[in-house]
Parts: sequence; structure tokens; C-alpha cells
Amino acid sequence: AQTVTQSQPEMSVQEAETVTLSCTYDTSESDYYLFWYKQPPSRQMILVIRQEAYKQQNATENRFSVNFQKAAKSFSLKISDSQLGDAAMYFCAYRSPYRNQFYFGTGTSLTVIP
Amino acid sequence: DAGITQSPRHKVTETGTPVTLRCHQTENHRYMYWYRQDPGHGLRLIHYSYGVKDTDKGEVSDGYSVSRSKTEDFLLTLESATSSQTSVYFCAISAPDRGQYFGPGTRLTVT
Repeated sequence: AQTVTQSQPEMSVQEAETVTLSCTYDTSESDYYLFWYKQPPSRQMILVIRQEAYKQQNATENRFSVNFQKAAKSFSLKISDSQLGDAAMYFCAYRSPYRNQFYFGTGTSLTVIP
Repeated sequence: DAGITQSPRHKVTETGTPVTLRCHQTENHRYMYWYRQDPGHGLRLIHYSYGVKDTDKGEVSDGYSVSRSKTEDFLLTLESATSSQTSVYFCAISAPDRGQYFGPGTRLTVT
């Protein structure tokens, strides 16, 4: 089974600043996807950004971008110009091509300080 | 928002009673999943389905069973609920080449 590790249980950032959340994964597969999800206090899981393993270019969605290092099996999320609404739990996820199975990290709780 | 709902949204039950949670989708996606979320553990896969009547176990399947008799519905059953199954349960669907979309969650308390 694949494993996903988020080594930062908690992070904080000043409003308008930039923060990077770390994620590493372990796999022997070559065709996979990686995702970041946000879970605010409402508990709803929200897809933030995705990255296809075969693409070298890092994905970007507005203020959210990733640093995908395939050889290092690293997939970090950068949030620029942090806003109060970014405060949430963030989960890194790996999607295997085998039966479309997903594996999640344990999450990073992000606090945004006004 | 993806068309995925869960019922009930909240449930309190007693130890030893059977419980069934329902997940319903309107997206006609092939893959459906049940997860539980507990503090410090993130999301852990209980069971998943890759088609009607096609299901398989996840990492925490003991004490749970599932059924999928039609594309839109995926049922999770706790045959005899225990206090360790107190958790928040999420259903998810997966679109091809995309991520998963989650239901709103069900908070289950076993007393």
C-alpha cells in the first residue's frame, strides 16, 4: 500500500504572508495523481489542487501552487497572500491507478493570524 | 458541488445495534468510497466500490460491510456497533482523472 506523510501537524501564518505545507509519499507506481484537500470547520472536504505525476509543470490554482518533486516523492502546497478563510485542516492525498484507490495523510492544521 | 448526499447526517445508537449509512450520488460515477475520520488519523478507507456489486476492503474494514446494488447508492453497515466505531463517516465519489468529491459526512456516536 502507498503511504502519505504530513510531518507538520500544525502550522500558522500571518495574514497576507506565504506558507508552505509539506507532504511526502511512498510508491513504486508511475502513473498516479496527487491532491491537496482543505477541510474547514464546516467539515466539508474541498479539493484545492491536483497534480498528475507525468506532468513536470507544477500545478497552480490562483493563490495555491504546488512544488512537485517526483524523484524525491515530495508534494508541498504553497499558499500565497494567506487569508483568514484559508484557516483549515489540509490533507495531502495520493491516487493509485489500481482501482482508483486514494491514500490520505494525517493532515496539517493551518491557523491564519490576523 | 458534486451531487453526493449522505443520510443520516447525525446518529446516536447503542452498542450492539446494527446501523446503516447511505450514500447517494447523482453523478453516475463508477467509483464510490467510505471513509472514517478520527483525530490524528486523517481519513481512513473502510470499503470502496469500483462498480455495481463490485466492492473491496480498505485498511479498516473489520466490523463493516457494504453493498452497492445500483450505481447511485452505496450503503455502509455496522453489523453490531461498538464504541470504537464512534466517528465521522464520509462517502466519496471519484471522477475519471480527477480527485474525489465528498459528501457532507455523518457523525455517528455509539453509546
